Amino acid sequence: GQNIDQPTEMTATEGAIVQINCTYQTSGFNGLFWYQQHAGEAPTFLSYNVLDGLEEKGRFSSFLSRSKGYSYLLLKELQMKDSASYLCAVVDSNYQLIWGAGTKLIIKP
Amino acid sequence: GAVVSQHPSWVICKSGTSVKIECRSLDFQATTMFWYRQFPKQSLMLMATSNEGSKATYEQGVEKDKFLINHASLTLSTLTVTSAHPEDSSFYICSASPGTSGFNEQFFGPGTRLTVL
Repeated sequence: GQNIDQPTEMTATEGAIVQINCTYQTSGFNGLFWYQQHAGEAPTFLSYNVLDGLEEKGRFSSFLSRSKGYSYLLLKELQMKDSASYLCAVVDSNYQLIWGAGTKLIIKP
Repeated sequence: GAVVSQHPSWVICKSGTSVKIECRSLDFQATTMFWYRQFPKQSLMLMATSNEGSKATYEQGVEKDKFLINHASLTLSTLTVTSAHPEDSSFYICSASPGTSGFNEQFFGPGTRLTVL
């Protein structure tokens, strides 16, 4: 079966750095998305990785290792508004999105 | 660009009634639209994928006669929850893609919170 694993919840301090991991086992791979979802709102796009390596976009970076079936989202200089759920989603061989359960990130002052 | 709207934002209805939710892509043509359901503290669950002008493809376990999807134009898809029951109370989110599969980035609507009494 297809499986995506993320930690259920993480806590970090304002101003710090946090890394949210995502491991996947899917039938084929055509890219990995990270989305941010605030409570009661729809997800918003953060990043898309299809090649190995690190992609940096402001305070957020996303890393992919296809051989390890592994990705992480790195958030720097954390702000209170970063408190949200972070969803990892993989595009499989049928070009369908397989969603992880999401990681709830709690930022403390 | 790439704005998707949903209407209504929230709805409360009595058990047994039907509720229609609209999803519109405002500034692009959406070849494919997706309907998701999300229960509290859970991830998105894909209900169905619809391509303009053709029948929707439903995920396993989703009753097509209960959740009617119409994608009549490249900018509008509707989801009708027929004979709604309290267990249908959920957050319904649509997304739209200019491509023909989930491979392209999906742009999400703001969601519709349905409460069935």
